[in-house]
Amino acid sequence: GESVGLHLPTLSVQEGDNSIINCAYSNSASDYFIWYKQESGKGPQFIIDIRSNMDKRQGQRVTVLLNKTVKHLSLQIAATQPGDSAVYFCAENIDYGGSQGNLIFGKGTKLSVKP
Amino acid sequence: GAGVSQSPRYKVAKRGQDVALRCDPISGHVSLFWYQQALGQGPEFLTYFQNEAQLDKSGLPSDRFFAERPEGSVSTLKIQRTQQEDSAVYLCASSLREGNTEAFFGQGTRLTVV
Repeated sequence: GESVGLHLPTLSVQEGDNSIINCAYSNSASDYFIWYKQESGKGPQFIIDIRSNMDKRQGQRVTVLLNKTVKHLSLQIAATQPGDSAVYFCAENIDYGGSQGNLIFGKGTKLSVKP
Repeated sequence: GAGVSQSPRYKVAKRGQDVALRCDPISGHVSLFWYQQALGQGPEFLTYFQNEAQLDKSGLPSDRFFAERPEGSVSTLKIQRTQQEDSAVYLCASSLREGNTEAFFGQGTRLTVV
């Protein structure tokens, strides 16, 4: 399958450790954020989302933190497993007051989990 | 199937050829999106449908790109007179409600223009 991990920042962690993937967004008008996981040759897979009126949201083994002051988003993965190895993208939705279709994706971070 | 389905999975086109890429969204999903993903990059927005209405086509790179969703379900992305710079993975996503909330992506169509 194709690789989407070329020239991407890489985070390498040991199996069982916690992972933190960071993302800076640029537009203070962004009101909705999503983290996606993309494995080689596959489409992005929804992980977790958060709206701008929240600063933290938890899912199963994942937590998203939003700091609107510094326009920073992070994804925390607890007890990282080899199956978590993939490229992770943050995406932001900018509320133009009309269409809500335009998600802006970040450049991605490649997570590599060592067994 | 239960997910977003795209076909073909791979497409090789000669420069100048027209191509049509198909997306079958999750049944009942109102919103449908097309994205273009170059190698090593994040997906870039092309266009957005709410049912059969194309509400945003601001991301289409040129007038060679055209998308439709005539019955509010299946969508087709057509690229006329393909160029080498059109080579990319074309991703389709759908969501149950209006907008991006929990949009689910298909596996994409990898287009290579030679």
